[in-house]
Amino acid sequence: EIVMTQSPATLSVSPGERATLSCRASQGISNNLAWYQQKPGQAPRLLLYGASTRATGIPARFSGSGSGTEFTLTISSLQSEDFAVYYCQQYNKWPPWTFGQGTKVEVK
Amino acid sequence: QVQLVESGGGVVQPGGSLRLSCEASGFTFSAYGMHWVRQAPGKGLEWVAFIPYDGSKNYCADSVKGRFTISRDNSKNTLYLQMNSLRAEDTALYKCAKDINNYYFDHWGQGTLVTVSS
Repeated sequence: EIVMTQSPATLSVSPGERATLSCRASQGISNNLAWYQQKPGQAPRLLLYGASTRATGIPARFSGSGSGTEFTLTISSLQSEDFAVYYCQQYNKWPPWTFGQGTKVEVK
Repeated sequence: QVQLVESGGGVVQPGGSLRLSCEASGFTFSAYGMHWVRQAPGKGLEWVAFIPYDGSKNYCADSVKGRFTISRDNSKNTLYLQMNSLRAEDTALYKCAKDINNYYFDHWGQGTLVTVSS
């Protein structure tokens, strides 16, 4: 099983600032990585797939990078609606499809 | 638009059974694989099970293998999860999710809560 590890667990950021979230895979996964956003009481929302391709309707302030074992999600200028929990998920080797434990982005 | 609506959750005693349903609309259900993903209270996402578009196979996480069965009825646009021999650690919000190419999940339901407690 591929283990996904996200850091930090919590990120405190002021509105308008940049947020950088990390995700590490226990073995190489090429660019077979997706990112999701989850707000309290809501279903997760697909942000990125292929490590860097934005899903339909996702604003350009969300960007992703990385390949192999190290990945980054960057939110260039945090808006109020971006404060949420973010999860990475690998689909290089399945089953199982595996998620990171999440990074909570909170208001500083 | 795509809608996924789960139902069937509730409170059940350890060792008991439940069947969850996920009713799909807004897309051609029979053309897509589907997953169940769960989220324990205050915890992260855990993949539970997957079934391809035609129901030809099914895959389950090791934590539920032999106890849970995923199935689908394409004539009813509905996904199911039969849960037997339930344990306290199965307590979670169970969400169905639409699959893209056996890779990632592009739409999710809100979930149905399963509580296993005596």
